[in-house]
Amino acid sequence: AQTVTQSQPEMSVQEAETVTLSCTYDTSESDYYLFWYKQPPSRQMILVIRQEAYKQQNATENRFSVNFQKAAKSFSLKISDSQLGDAAMYFCAYRETSGSRLTFGEGTQLTVNP
Amino acid sequence: ETGVTQSPTHLIKTRGQQVTLRCSSQSGHNTVSWYQQALGQGPQFIFQYYREEENGRGNFPPRFSGLQFPNYSSELNVNALELDDSALYLCASSPRGGVYTEAFFGQGTRLTVV
Repeated sequence: AQTVTQSQPEMSVQEAETVTLSCTYDTSESDYYLFWYKQPPSRQMILVIRQEAYKQQNATENRFSVNFQKAAKSFSLKISDSQLGDAAMYFCAYRETSGSRLTFGEGTQLTVNP
Repeated sequence: ETGVTQSPTHLIKTRGQQVTLRCSSQSGHNTVSWYQQALGQGPQFIFQYYREEENGRGNFPPRFSGLQFPNYSSELNVNALELDDSALYLCASSPRGGVYTEAFFGQGTRLTVV
């Protein structure tokens, strides 16, 4: 079974600074998808960024980028120029190429200090 | 806003009772997944429905059951409620097919069992 581990329960960053959230996963599959979701106090899961395992190039979405290390099964999220609105719980998630089932990590609570 | 709506937003039930949670999927999405998110944890996959049939189930007992209707909306039913069923229940809809299907989440139903 696939597992996703986030080893940082809490992280904090100063506004305008850069922060990196860590995620590792375990799978025997060679092709899959990885995601970072943001869950603000409103509770709604919002997709931040996604990565296809067959793509070697790291995904980037504006201030958000990932460092995908397939051999190490590592998938970290870098947030540049942190903003107050980035404060939320961040979840790393795994999905096989077939089906829609997501396997989530335990989450990292990000605080942004003004 | 994702177009996925859940009702009710909050609910308090007594141990042993039954509860029904509802989810209206985003237009054009024929797959609905349900997740249970206990306080301080990542969401756990309960089951998924595709074209009105259960199409994958997580490690949840049979007292967790569901339905999907012809308009692709869905219900999650939980019988014989236990205190540990207290959690945020998230619904996610996605289109089926294609190389990539993104899940869109609702805002969840907060269930408290007393």
